[in-house]
Amino acid sequence: ETGVTQTPRHLVMGMTNKKSLKCEQHLGHNAMYWYKQSAKKPLELMFVYSLEERVENNSVPSRFSPECPNSSHLFLHLHTLQPEDSALYLCASSQEGQGLRNGYTFGSGTRLTVV
Amino acid sequence: SQKIEQNSEALNIQEGKTATLTCNYTNYSPAYLQWYRQDPGRGPVFLLLIRENEKEKRKERLKVTFDTTLKQSLFHITASQPADSATYLCARGLSSASKIIFGSGTRLSIRP
Repeated sequence: ETGVTQTPRHLVMGMTNKKSLKCEQHLGHNAMYWYKQSAKKPLELMFVYSLEERVENNSVPSRFSPECPNSSHLFLHLHTLQPEDSALYLCASSQEGQGLRNGYTFGSGTRLTVV
Repeated sequence: SQKIEQNSEALNIQEGKTATLTCNYTNYSPAYLQWYRQDPGRGPVFLLLIRENEKEKRKERLKVTFDTTLKQSLFHITASQPADSATYLCARGLSSASKIIFGSGTRLSIRP
Protein backbone atom coordinates (compact mmCIF):
# COMPACT_ATOMS: atom_id res chain seq x y z
CA GLU A 1 0.00 0.00 0.00
CA THR A 2 1.24 3.49 -0.84
CA GLY A 3 -0.56 5.40 1.91
CA VAL A 4 -3.40 6.36 -0.44
CA THR A 5 -6.34 3.92 -0.43
CA GLN A 6 -9.07 3.94 -3.05
CA THR A 7 -12.34 2.04 -2.91
CA PRO A 8 -13.84 0.26 -4.67
CA ARG A 9 -11.12 -1.20 -6.90
CA HIS A 10 -13.67 -2.08 -9.59
CA LEU A 11 -17.09 -0.63 -10.30
CA VAL A 12 -19.65 -1.42 -12.97
CA MET A 13 -22.58 0.96 -13.17
CA GLY A 14 -25.48 1.69 -15.45
CA MET A 15 -25.95 5.10 -17.03
CA THR A 16 -28.82 5.94 -14.66
CA ASN A 17 -27.03 4.90 -11.46
CA LYS A 18 -25.49 7.08 -8.78
CA LYS A 19 -22.29 5.90 -7.17
CA SER A 20 -19.32 7.37 -5.30
CA LEU A 21 -15.60 6.71 -5.38
CA LYS A 22 -13.68 7.10 -2.14
CA CYS A 23 -10.07 8.06 -1.49
CA GLU A 24 -8.30 8.18 1.86
CA GLN A 25 -4.72 9.24 2.50
CA HIS A 26 -2.73 8.42 5.65
CA LEU A 27 0.28 10.61 4.88
CA GLY A 28 -0.69 13.90 6.48
CA HIS A 29 -0.76 15.61 3.07
CA ASN A 30 -2.80 18.76 2.54
CA ALA A 31 -3.53 18.52 -1.20
CA MET A 32 -5.53 15.85 -3.02
CA TYR A 33 -6.26 15.25 -6.69
CA TRP A 34 -8.53 13.26 -8.98
CA TYR A 35 -7.10 12.06 -12.31
CA LYS A 36 -8.78 10.13 -15.12
CA GLN A 37 -6.71 7.61 -17.10
CA SER A 38 -8.13 6.30 -20.38
CA ALA A 39 -6.39 3.84 -22.66
CA LYS A 40 -3.52 5.36 -24.63
CA LYS A 41 -4.21 8.87 -23.33
CA PRO A 42 -2.29 10.92 -20.78
CA LEU A 43 -3.59 11.18 -17.25
CA GLU A 44 -6.16 13.96 -17.21
CA LEU A 45 -6.27 16.18 -14.15
CA MET A 46 -9.90 16.55 -13.08
CA PHE A 47 -9.98 18.25 -9.68
CA VAL A 48 -7.53 19.65 -7.15
CA TYR A 49 -8.20 20.29 -3.49
CA SER A 50 -5.76 22.26 -1.39
CA LEU A 51 -6.45 22.61 2.33
CA GLU A 52 -9.91 21.15 1.69
CA GLU A 53 -10.85 23.85 -0.82
CA ARG A 54 -11.30 23.13 -4.50
CA VAL A 55 -8.69 25.12 -6.35
CA GLU A 56 -9.01 23.64 -9.81
CA ASN A 57 -11.74 22.16 -11.96
CA ASN A 58 -10.54 21.34 -15.43
CA SER A 59 -13.79 21.69 -17.38
CA VAL A 60 -15.10 18.43 -16.02
CA PRO A 61 -18.76 17.65 -16.82
CA SER A 62 -21.19 18.22 -13.96
CA ARG A 63 -22.03 14.51 -13.83
CA PHE A 64 -18.78 14.28 -11.83
CA SER A 65 -19.02 15.98 -8.44
CA PRO A 66 -16.07 16.01 -6.01
CA GLU A 67 -16.26 16.36 -2.26
CA CYS A 68 -13.46 16.87 0.27
CA PRO A 69 -14.87 16.76 3.81
CA ASN A 70 -11.42 16.87 5.45
CA SER A 71 -7.77 16.74 4.48
CA SER A 72 -7.67 12.93 4.60
CA HIS A 73 -10.72 12.07 2.53
CA LEU A 74 -11.78 12.77 -1.04
CA PHE A 75 -14.87 11.55 -2.85
CA LEU A 76 -15.98 11.59 -6.45
CA HIS A 77 -19.75 11.37 -6.82
CA LEU A 78 -20.97 9.98 -10.13
CA HIS A 79 -24.41 10.24 -11.72
CA THR A 80 -25.87 9.67 -15.19
CA LEU A 81 -22.50 8.75 -16.64
CA GLN A 82 -21.82 7.88 -20.28
CA PRO A 83 -19.98 4.83 -21.64
CA GLU A 84 -17.05 7.08 -22.61
CA ASP A 85 -16.55 7.82 -18.92
CA SER A 86 -15.27 4.28 -18.46
CA ALA A 87 -11.67 4.61 -17.31
CA LEU A 88 -9.27 4.19 -14.40
CA TYR A 89 -9.87 6.94 -11.84
CA LEU A 90 -6.82 7.74 -9.77
CA CYS A 91 -6.57 9.70 -6.56
CA ALA A 92 -3.30 11.32 -5.51
CA SER A 93 -2.05 13.40 -2.63
CA SER A 94 0.91 15.65 -1.91
CA GLN A 95 2.16 18.10 0.64
CA GLU A 96 1.59 21.54 -0.84
CA GLY A 97 4.96 22.91 -1.88
CA GLN A 98 6.60 19.49 -1.55
CA GLY A 99 4.91 17.79 -4.48
CA LEU A 100 7.80 19.12 -6.46
CA ARG A 101 10.50 17.31 -4.48
CA ASN A 102 8.62 14.21 -3.37
CA GLY A 103 6.20 13.74 -6.24
CA TYR A 104 2.58 12.81 -5.92
CA THR A 105 1.51 9.65 -4.08
CA PHE A 106 -1.15 7.79 -6.02
CA GLY A 107 -3.69 5.20 -4.99
CA SER A 108 -4.24 2.04 -7.02
CA GLY A 109 -7.28 3.50 -8.72
CA THR A 110 -10.88 2.50 -9.34
CA ARG A 111 -11.54 0.76 -12.65
CA LEU A 112 -14.94 2.14 -13.71
CA THR A 113 -17.07 0.56 -16.41
CA VAL A 114 -20.26 2.31 -17.50
CA VAL A 115 -22.75 0.04 -19.26
CA SER B 1 -0.44 24.13 -25.85
CA GLN B 2 1.85 23.15 -22.98
CA LYS B 3 1.76 19.43 -23.38
CA ILE B 4 4.46 16.98 -22.50
CA GLU B 5 5.06 14.30 -25.13
CA GLN B 6 6.47 10.81 -24.95
CA ASN B 7 6.84 9.85 -28.57
CA SER B 8 7.47 6.13 -28.11
CA GLU B 9 4.39 4.21 -27.12
CA ALA B 10 6.42 1.03 -26.53
CA LEU B 11 10.05 -0.01 -26.25
CA ASN B 12 11.40 -3.57 -26.21
CA ILE B 13 15.00 -4.31 -25.27
CA GLN B 14 17.21 -7.21 -24.19
CA GLU B 15 17.97 -7.77 -20.52
CA GLY B 16 21.25 -6.18 -19.47
CA LYS B 17 21.07 -3.37 -22.04
CA THR B 18 20.41 0.27 -21.20
CA ALA B 19 16.84 1.42 -21.79
CA THR B 20 16.47 5.05 -22.88
CA LEU B 21 13.08 6.77 -22.85
CA THR B 22 12.40 10.24 -24.24
CA CYS B 23 10.19 13.08 -23.06
CA ASN B 24 9.76 16.27 -25.14
CA TYR B 25 8.12 19.61 -24.61
CA THR B 26 7.55 22.62 -26.88
CA ASN B 27 6.55 26.27 -26.62
CA TYR B 28 7.26 26.61 -22.90
CA SER B 29 9.93 25.95 -20.28
CA PRO B 30 8.96 23.68 -17.42
CA ALA B 31 10.58 24.40 -14.09
CA TYR B 32 10.96 20.70 -13.45
CA LEU B 33 10.26 17.27 -14.85
CA GLN B 34 9.29 14.17 -12.91
CA TRP B 35 9.41 10.51 -13.89
CA TYR B 36 7.00 7.87 -12.60
CA ARG B 37 6.66 4.13 -13.02
CA GLN B 38 3.21 2.55 -13.46
CA ASP B 39 2.49 -1.18 -13.31
CA PRO B 40 -0.73 -2.65 -14.77
CA GLY B 41 -3.74 -2.02 -12.55
CA ARG B 42 -1.77 0.24 -10.20
CA GLY B 43 -1.25 3.95 -9.75
CA PRO B 44 1.97 5.69 -10.82
CA VAL B 45 4.92 5.63 -8.41
CA PHE B 46 7.27 8.62 -8.22
CA LEU B 47 10.88 7.86 -9.21
CA LEU B 48 12.91 11.01 -9.86
CA LEU B 49 12.69 14.76 -10.20
CA ILE B 50 15.02 17.00 -12.21
CA ARG B 51 14.96 20.79 -12.17
CA GLU B 52 15.58 23.01 -15.18
CA ASN B 53 18.96 24.14 -13.80
CA GLU B 54 20.15 20.54 -13.36
CA LYS B 55 21.74 18.64 -16.23
CA GLU B 56 21.59 15.17 -14.73
CA LYS B 57 20.19 13.28 -11.74
CA ARG B 58 20.95 9.70 -10.69
CA LYS B 59 19.33 7.15 -8.41
CA GLU B 60 20.75 3.63 -8.34
CA ARG B 61 20.40 2.28 -11.92
CA LEU B 62 18.30 5.25 -13.02
CA LYS B 63 19.59 8.41 -14.67
CA VAL B 64 17.60 11.39 -15.89
CA THR B 65 18.89 14.28 -18.00
CA PHE B 66 17.30 17.64 -18.79
CA ASP B 67 18.38 19.44 -21.97
CA THR B 68 16.72 22.86 -22.19
CA THR B 69 18.25 23.49 -25.63
CA LEU B 70 16.72 20.36 -27.14
CA LYS B 71 13.61 20.74 -24.90
CA GLN B 72 14.00 17.14 -23.91
CA SER B 73 14.47 14.83 -20.93
CA LEU B 74 15.99 11.38 -21.26
CA PHE B 75 15.36 8.59 -18.74
CA HIS B 76 17.91 5.77 -18.65
CA ILE B 77 17.77 2.40 -16.90
CA THR B 78 21.17 0.73 -16.93
CA ALA B 79 21.66 -3.04 -16.65
CA SER B 80 17.95 -3.50 -17.33
CA GLN B 81 16.06 -6.44 -15.81
CA PRO B 82 12.71 -8.06 -16.66
CA ALA B 83 11.40 -6.58 -13.39
CA ASP B 84 11.91 -3.11 -14.89
CA SER B 85 9.12 -3.85 -17.38
CA ALA B 86 6.38 -1.26 -16.80
CA THR B 87 4.97 1.96 -18.22
CA TYR B 88 7.08 5.02 -17.49
CA LEU B 89 5.45 8.43 -17.30
CA CYS B 90 7.05 11.82 -17.68
CA ALA B 91 5.37 14.79 -15.98
CA ARG B 92 6.06 18.52 -16.02
CA GLY B 93 5.49 21.39 -13.66
CA LEU B 94 5.72 25.03 -14.59
CA SER B 95 6.57 26.18 -11.09
CA SER B 96 6.85 24.78 -7.59
CA ALA B 97 3.23 25.75 -6.99
CA SER B 98 1.77 24.46 -10.24
CA LYS B 99 0.01 21.17 -10.74
CA ILE B 100 1.80 18.53 -12.72
CA ILE B 101 0.69 17.41 -16.17
CA PHE B 102 1.56 13.94 -17.46
CA GLY B 103 2.66 12.53 -20.79
CA SER B 104 0.96 9.46 -22.21
CA GLY B 105 3.74 7.11 -21.14
CA THR B 106 6.11 4.59 -22.72
CA ARG B 107 5.54 0.89 -22.13
CA LEU B 108 8.93 -0.73 -21.57
CA SER B 109 9.41 -4.48 -21.97
CA ILE B 110 12.68 -6.15 -20.99
CA ARG B 111 13.06 -9.62 -22.47
CA PRO B 112 15.28 -12.21 -20.76
